[in-house]
Amino acid sequence: SYVLTQPPSVSVAPGKTARITCGGNNIGSKSVHWYQQKPGQAPVLVIYYDSDRPSGIPERFSGSNSGNTATLTISRVEAGDEADYYCQVWDSSSDQPVVFGGGTKLTVL
Amino acid sequence: EVQLVESGGGLVKPGGSLRLSCAASGFTFSSYSMNWVRQAPGKGLEWVSSISSSSSYIYYADSVKGRFTISRDNAKNSLYLQMNSLRAEDTAVYYCARVGTVDSSGYPIWGQGTLVTVSS
Repeated sequence: SYVLTQPPSVSVAPGKTARITCGGNNIGSKSVHWYQQKPGQAPVLVIYYDSDRPSGIPERFSGSNSGNTATLTISRVEAGDEADYYCQVWDSSSDQPVVFGGGTKLTVL
Repeated sequence: EVQLVESGGGLVKPGGSLRLSCAASGFTFSSYSMNWVRQAPGKGLEWVSSISSSSSYIYYADSVKGRFTISRDNAKNSLYLQMNSLRAEDTAVYYCARVGTVDSSGYPIWGQGTLVTVSS
Protein backbone atom coordinates (compact mmCIF):
# COMPACT_ATOMS: atom_id res chain seq x y z
CA SER A 1 0.00 0.00 0.00
CA TYR A 2 0.98 3.61 -0.48
CA VAL A 3 3.26 5.15 2.17
CA LEU A 4 3.49 8.79 3.25
CA THR A 5 6.58 9.90 5.17
CA GLN A 6 6.67 12.96 7.43
CA PRO A 7 9.41 14.23 9.74
CA PRO A 8 8.48 13.53 13.36
CA SER A 9 9.12 17.08 14.46
CA VAL A 10 9.71 20.59 13.18
CA SER A 11 10.66 23.57 15.34
CA VAL A 12 10.29 27.23 14.41
CA ALA A 13 10.53 30.59 16.15
CA PRO A 14 7.46 32.83 16.31
CA GLY A 15 7.09 35.01 13.23
CA LYS A 16 9.19 32.70 11.07
CA THR A 17 8.11 30.24 8.39
CA ALA A 18 7.54 26.55 9.06
CA ARG A 19 7.66 23.96 6.31
CA ILE A 20 6.38 20.44 6.89
CA THR A 21 7.06 17.87 4.21
CA CYS A 22 5.16 14.76 3.17
CA GLY A 23 7.00 12.30 0.98
CA GLY A 24 5.49 9.65 -1.25
CA ASN A 25 6.20 7.93 -4.53
CA ASN A 26 5.06 10.33 -7.28
CA ILE A 27 2.87 12.11 -4.74
CA GLY A 28 2.63 14.98 -7.21
CA SER A 29 0.12 12.90 -9.15
CA LYS A 30 -2.21 12.69 -6.16
CA SER A 31 -4.29 15.21 -4.23
CA VAL A 32 -2.84 15.90 -0.80
CA HIS A 33 -4.77 17.12 2.20
CA TRP A 34 -3.39 18.47 5.48
CA TYR A 35 -4.88 18.34 8.97
CA GLN A 36 -3.99 20.18 12.15
CA GLN A 37 -4.65 18.43 15.45
CA LYS A 38 -4.25 20.01 18.86
CA PRO A 39 -4.17 17.93 22.07
CA GLY A 40 -7.53 16.46 23.00
CA GLN A 41 -9.21 17.74 19.83
CA ALA A 42 -10.38 16.24 16.56
CA PRO A 43 -8.31 16.94 13.45
CA VAL A 44 -9.08 20.07 11.43
CA LEU A 45 -8.63 20.24 7.66
CA VAL A 46 -6.30 23.16 6.89
CA ILE A 47 -5.38 22.46 3.24
CA TYR A 48 -7.18 20.34 0.66
CA TYR A 49 -6.42 19.50 -2.96
CA ASP A 50 -2.74 20.37 -2.41
CA SER A 51 -3.19 24.11 -1.91
CA ASP A 52 -6.81 25.11 -1.25
CA ARG A 53 -7.80 26.55 2.12
CA PRO A 54 -11.16 25.84 3.75
CA SER A 55 -13.06 28.88 4.90
CA GLY A 56 -11.81 30.10 8.25
CA ILE A 57 -8.24 28.91 7.76
CA PRO A 58 -5.76 31.82 7.80
CA GLU A 59 -3.94 32.76 4.60
CA ARG A 60 -0.73 32.01 6.49
CA PHE A 61 -1.37 28.34 5.69
CA SER A 62 -0.44 27.25 2.18
CA GLY A 63 0.44 24.05 0.39
CA SER A 64 2.31 22.76 -2.64
CA ASN A 65 2.82 19.37 -4.24
CA SER A 66 5.27 18.23 -6.88
CA GLY A 67 7.34 15.18 -7.69
CA ASN A 68 7.79 13.06 -4.60
CA THR A 69 7.14 15.75 -1.98
CA ALA A 70 4.17 17.75 -0.77
CA THR A 71 4.77 20.68 1.56
CA LEU A 72 2.63 22.51 4.09
CA THR A 73 3.95 26.02 4.68
CA ILE A 74 2.92 28.13 7.66
CA SER A 75 4.05 31.74 7.41
CA ARG A 76 4.41 34.13 10.33
CA VAL A 77 4.06 31.27 12.78
CA GLU A 78 2.13 31.96 15.97
CA ALA A 79 2.15 30.13 19.29
CA GLY A 80 -1.36 28.87 18.50
CA ASP A 81 -0.04 26.97 15.48
CA GLU A 82 1.74 24.50 17.74
CA ALA A 83 0.07 21.19 16.96
CA ASP A 84 0.44 17.88 15.16
CA TYR A 85 0.06 18.03 11.38
CA TYR A 86 -0.90 15.09 9.16
CA CYS A 87 -0.89 14.73 5.39
CA GLN A 88 -3.38 12.42 3.70
CA VAL A 89 -4.10 11.12 0.20
CA TRP A 90 -6.71 8.99 -1.53
CA ASP A 91 -4.98 6.21 -3.46
CA SER A 92 -7.59 5.16 -6.02
CA SER A 93 -5.46 2.21 -7.16
CA SER A 94 -5.56 0.53 -3.75
CA ASP A 95 -8.15 -1.48 -1.85
CA GLN A 96 -7.01 0.53 1.17
CA PRO A 97 -7.34 3.93 -0.45
CA VAL A 98 -7.08 6.28 2.51
CA VAL A 99 -3.52 6.93 3.64
CA PHE A 100 -2.30 9.22 6.42
CA GLY A 101 1.25 10.27 7.04
CA GLY A 102 2.76 9.54 10.42
CA GLY A 103 2.34 13.12 11.60
CA THR A 104 4.68 15.99 12.43
CA LYS A 105 4.79 17.76 15.76
CA LEU A 106 5.24 21.49 15.16
CA THR A 107 6.90 23.20 18.11
CA VAL A 108 6.90 26.98 18.35
CA LEU A 109 10.05 27.97 20.22
CA GLU B 1 -24.94 23.28 11.87
CA VAL B 2 -23.09 20.38 10.28
CA GLN B 3 -22.29 17.88 13.02
CA LEU B 4 -21.13 14.34 13.65
CA VAL B 5 -21.54 12.77 17.08
CA GLU B 6 -19.98 9.42 17.93
CA SER B 7 -21.17 7.12 20.69
CA GLY B 8 -20.77 3.55 21.87
CA GLY B 9 -17.20 3.56 23.11
CA GLY B 10 -16.17 2.04 26.40
CA LEU B 11 -14.14 -0.63 28.14
CA VAL B 12 -14.26 -4.13 26.67
CA LYS B 13 -12.27 -7.30 27.32
CA PRO B 14 -9.99 -8.81 24.67
CA GLY B 15 -12.05 -10.93 22.30
CA GLY B 16 -15.16 -8.91 23.03
CA SER B 17 -17.38 -6.84 20.75
CA LEU B 18 -18.54 -3.25 20.57
CA ARG B 19 -20.71 -1.26 18.18
CA LEU B 20 -19.92 2.37 17.53
CA SER B 21 -22.46 4.82 16.14
CA CYS B 22 -22.06 8.19 14.46
CA ALA B 23 -25.12 10.45 14.25
CA ALA B 24 -25.04 13.02 11.46
CA SER B 25 -26.98 16.26 11.26
CA GLY B 26 -27.01 19.50 9.30
CA PHE B 27 -26.36 17.96 5.88
CA THR B 28 -27.80 15.40 3.47
CA PHE B 29 -26.18 12.30 4.96
CA SER B 30 -27.16 10.04 2.07
CA SER B 31 -25.06 12.10 -0.37
CA TYR B 32 -21.67 11.55 1.23
CA SER B 33 -19.16 8.78 1.75
CA MET B 34 -18.22 8.29 5.37
CA ASN B 35 -15.17 7.03 7.17
CA TRP B 36 -13.88 5.77 10.50
CA VAL B 37 -10.43 6.93 11.59
CA ARG B 38 -8.78 5.96 14.87
CA GLN B 39 -5.96 7.25 17.00
CA ALA B 40 -4.22 5.09 19.59
CA PRO B 41 -2.98 6.91 22.72
CA GLY B 42 0.01 9.05 21.82
CA LYS B 43 0.01 7.83 18.21
CA GLY B 44 -0.96 9.19 14.81
CA LEU B 45 -4.14 8.98 12.79
CA GLU B 46 -4.98 5.58 11.30
CA TRP B 47 -7.70 5.10 8.70
CA VAL B 48 -9.99 2.19 9.58
CA SER B 49 -12.80 1.94 7.02
CA SER B 50 -14.78 3.79 4.35
CA ILE B 51 -18.30 3.35 2.99
CA SER B 52 -19.81 5.04 -0.05
CA SER B 53 -23.04 7.03 0.07
CA SER B 54 -25.23 4.10 -1.00
CA SER B 55 -23.06 1.41 0.62
CA SER B 56 -22.06 0.25 -2.86
CA TYR B 57 -18.41 0.05 -1.98
CA ILE B 58 -16.69 -0.55 1.31
CA TYR B 59 -13.00 -0.57 2.22
CA TYR B 60 -11.13 -1.75 5.30
CA ALA B 61 -7.59 -1.40 6.61
CA ASP B 62 -5.74 -4.71 6.80
CA SER B 63 -5.50 -4.30 10.58
CA VAL B 64 -9.28 -4.65 11.00
CA LYS B 65 -10.35 -6.66 7.95
CA GLY B 66 -12.45 -9.66 8.93
CA ARG B 67 -13.10 -8.31 12.43
CA PHE B 68 -14.79 -4.93 11.86
CA THR B 69 -17.87 -4.17 9.76
CA ILE B 70 -18.86 -0.70 8.60
CA SER B 71 -22.47 0.07 7.75
CA ARG B 72 -24.87 2.98 7.46
CA ASP B 73 -28.57 3.71 7.68
CA ASN B 74 -29.36 6.69 5.48
CA ALA B 75 -32.91 6.83 6.78
CA LYS B 76 -31.54 7.35 10.30
CA ASN B 77 -28.61 9.56 9.25
CA SER B 78 -26.29 7.17 11.04
CA LEU B 79 -22.97 5.43 10.48
CA TYR B 80 -21.91 2.33 12.38
CA LEU B 81 -18.81 0.28 13.13
CA GLN B 82 -19.31 -3.23 14.46
CA MET B 83 -16.08 -4.32 16.12
CA ASN B 84 -15.58 -8.01 16.94
CA SER B 85 -12.64 -10.02 18.26
CA LEU B 86 -11.21 -6.89 19.81
CA ARG B 87 -7.53 -6.74 20.68
CA ALA B 88 -5.48 -4.53 22.97
CA GLU B 89 -4.08 -2.78 19.90
CA ASP B 90 -7.58 -1.64 18.94
CA THR B 91 -7.53 0.71 21.94
CA ALA B 92 -7.97 4.17 20.46
CA VAL B 93 -10.19 7.18 20.02
CA TYR B 94 -12.45 6.44 17.07
CA TYR B 95 -13.55 9.33 14.88
CA CYS B 96 -16.14 9.36 12.16
CA ALA B 97 -15.33 11.73 9.30
CA ARG B 98 -17.22 12.97 6.25
CA VAL B 99 -15.69 13.63 2.86
CA GLY B 100 -15.85 17.11 1.35
CA THR B 101 -17.47 16.27 -1.95
CA VAL B 102 -15.92 13.16 -3.44
CA ASP B 103 -13.76 10.45 -1.87
CA SER B 104 -10.53 12.16 -2.88
CA SER B 105 -11.45 15.56 -1.45
CA GLY B 106 -10.31 15.23 2.15
CA TYR B 107 -12.34 15.28 5.35
CA PRO B 108 -13.61 18.69 6.45
CA ILE B 109 -16.09 17.29 8.97
CA TRP B 110 -15.09 15.20 12.01
CA GLY B 111 -16.85 14.05 15.13
CA GLN B 112 -15.42 14.58 18.59
CA GLY B 113 -14.40 10.93 18.88
CA THR B 114 -15.31 8.07 21.19
CA LEU B 115 -12.75 6.15 23.25
CA VAL B 116 -12.52 2.39 22.98
CA THR B 117 -10.38 0.63 25.58
CA VAL B 118 -9.63 -3.06 25.19
CA SER B 119 -8.26 -4.46 28.42
CA SER B 120 -8.80 -7.33 30.81
